[in-house]
Amino acid sequence: DSGVTQTPKHLITATGQRVTLRCSPRSGDLSVYWYQQSLDQGLQFLIQYYNGEERAKGNILERFSAQQFPDLHSELNLSSLELGDSALYFCASSPFPYGYTFGSGTRLTVV
Amino acid sequence: ELKVEQNPLFLSMQEGKNYTIYCNYSTTSDRLYWYRQDPGKSLESLFVLLSNGAVKQEGRLMASLDTKARLSTLHITAAVHDLSATYFCAPTRGSQGNLIFGKGTKLSVKP
Repeated sequence: DSGVTQTPKHLITATGQRVTLRCSPRSGDLSVYWYQQSLDQGLQFLIQYYNGEERAKGNILERFSAQQFPDLHSELNLSSLELGDSALYFCASSPFPYGYTFGSGTRLTVV
Repeated sequence: ELKVEQNPLFLSMQEGKNYTIYCNYSTTSDRLYWYRQDPGKSLESLFVLLSNGAVKQEGRLMASLDTKARLSTLHITAAVHDLSATYFCAPTRGSQGNLIFGKGTKLSVKP
C-alpha cells in the first residue's frame, strides 16, 4: 500500500455519462496530481492541486474538472464521456521538498 | 514546454546482458525521476536524481543525470527476468512541480 488511495479501482460507464474519481493523498502531503495513461497518449499530466488551490494545469479537457477539499482529498470529474476517455487515471501526492507517490489507479472503460 | 524523449521504446534483452536506456529532455530541469511499471499496475519509484552528476544504484539498476547535456541514463547490469517491465523517466522543475513523462521503455528479459 503506497498510502495514496484511489477509488473506485474499476469503472465501466456509457458514453455521455459523468463519473467522479476520488483520491486520498498520503497523510501530510499537500500536493495532489492527476495523470491519465492511455496506449496512444502515454502518461499525461492533467492537473495539480496544492492545499486546496489549483497550481498547474496540463492537457486536461474542458469536460474534465477537479478539486481538492479541505481534508486534502481530491476528486476528478469527467463528463460527457467519450470512448477515447477510456484510460487508467492515476493520482499522486507529494511531500515537500520532493518525491511522488502514486495510487493504484482507476481503470475507466467507456462503452 | 518540457519534452521528454526516451530510447529505445522497446528493448528485448537476454538474461545476463547489460544495456542502457536513455532519457533526453528539452529544457532545464533540476531533478529527474525514474519509475517502473508492471502491466496494469501503478508506478513504482526507482530513483530520484537531484543534481548534475548524481548517480544512484539499486541492485542491477544504476541511474545517472547530466543536467548540462539534459540527459539521464538507466543502466541495467546482468539483466534478469524480474526486471521485465516498462521504465519511465520524468524530469520536473522546482519543488513539487508536475512530472513530465517520457513514452516509456518496455523491457523484456528473456532466458
